[in-house]
Parts: sequence; C-alpha cells; structure tokens
Amino acid sequence: EVQLVESGGGSVQPGGSLRLSCAASGFTFNNFEMNWVRQAPGKGLEWVSYISGSGSTINYADSVKGRFTISRDNAKNSLYLQMNSLRAEDTAVYYCARDQESGYDAYDYWGQGTLVTVSS
Amino acid sequence: DIQMTQSPSSLSASVGDRLTITCRASQSISTFLNWYQQKPGKAPKLLIYAASSLQSGVPSRFSGSGSGADFTLTISSLHPEDFASYYCQQSYRTPRTFGQGTMVEIK
Repeated sequence: EVQLVESGGGSVQPGGSLRLSCAASGFTFNNFEMNWVRQAPGKGLEWVSYISGSGSTINYADSVKGRFTISRDNAKNSLYLQMNSLRAEDTAVYYCARDQESGYDAYDYWGQGTLVTVSS
Repeated sequence: DIQMTQSPSSLSASVGDRLTITCRASQSISTFLNWYQQKPGKAPKLLIYAASSLQSGVPSRFSGSGSGADFTLTISSLHPEDFASYYCQQSYRTPRTFGQGTMVEIK
C-alpha cells in the first residue's frame, strides 16, 4: 500500500525556518517524481515545488523561489522541504504528492498534510 | 503562468442530481488536465487525469471531457459522499496551476 506521511510542521515566527519531511512507503520511491503542494486556511491548492526521481530536476513556484529548497534521499525513501525566511503568507497545510506514471503528471497519492503556521 | 478558471465557485445540489463543473485554461493545454476531489480536513484525491481518464478505484459516475482550453467534470448522479470541493489542475506547463475550486453543497 502506497503511503506518504509528512512531518515537521509547527509554529514559527516570521523570518524563521522549518524543515518538512515526507516518508514514503509501498512503492519504489526513486522511480517517482514528487511534489509539495500547499493550502492556506480556507483557500485553494497551490503547487510549491517539484523534484525528479533522481533529484536532478527541480522547480519552484515564484512565491517560494530563493527561500525554499526541495530535496530527496532515495536511500531513506524520503522527501524534504527546507523552508527559510518564512512569511505569514506561507501559513498553510503542506502536502507531499506523488506524480503518477501516466506521463500526464497528475498527483495520484497524497500525504495527510502537515500544518505550518507563521505568526509573531 | 497558465490561469485556470472554474465555474461555478459553489453550487447547491441534491442527491441524484446530474452535476457539471467547468474549467477553462488561459491557453491551450491539450488534454493535460486533472480533476481532484477534496473533503474538509482531508488530502485531495485524484479523480480524472488526462482530461477524461478515470483514476483506478474512482466510481464510474465521475467523467471528464474536453481538450484545448475548455474542460468539464460531470457527476452523473450525486451520491451523499460526493459533497466536497473539486479542483482542476493543468499539468501542461510548470507551474502546475490549480483552479480556485468548486464547493458542492447539499441543497
């Protein structure tokens, strides 16, 4: 059974940092591209970042570029999001999501989400 | 960036109703269009990918159509568990943008 389990969320002051983790199981992790998607309270979904299976290709939303860093450790079946210089507008539930193998890059499995609150 | 516009933003419907949600892209995205369902406090769930392909395990009352810039999600007969929010997403170009969502409420 495919499982994605996020951790690392919490409350942080503006300008602070957090590192999110996503533990994957039930599939061959290094074969799949992965993403972070966030959802601010009461708002819609926003794609944040993408990483290829090998980690060689990475993309970011403009809203987080230069502040967030996505990475993965295929030996540990884990995905990460290092978030620096956090702002109030980064407050959201952060989900990790797997790209399906269809070639259409839909997200077929999602974690349960971890809440990040940025507030003074 | 490709903008995705869903309509309506919300609607009220009854069990058994046929429901259609539309999604329009700001440019042609071929069939790189996906639909997700999200219930309160839960992660989104993939329903339809590639505009019209039903994700494994999703009931056949869900269907998708369209190509280019105009797409629809149809639920042929609403079940109680279908009351949720629905999002379209384009996967044609990065950033992978979502529509603003459509909330389906019980009438």
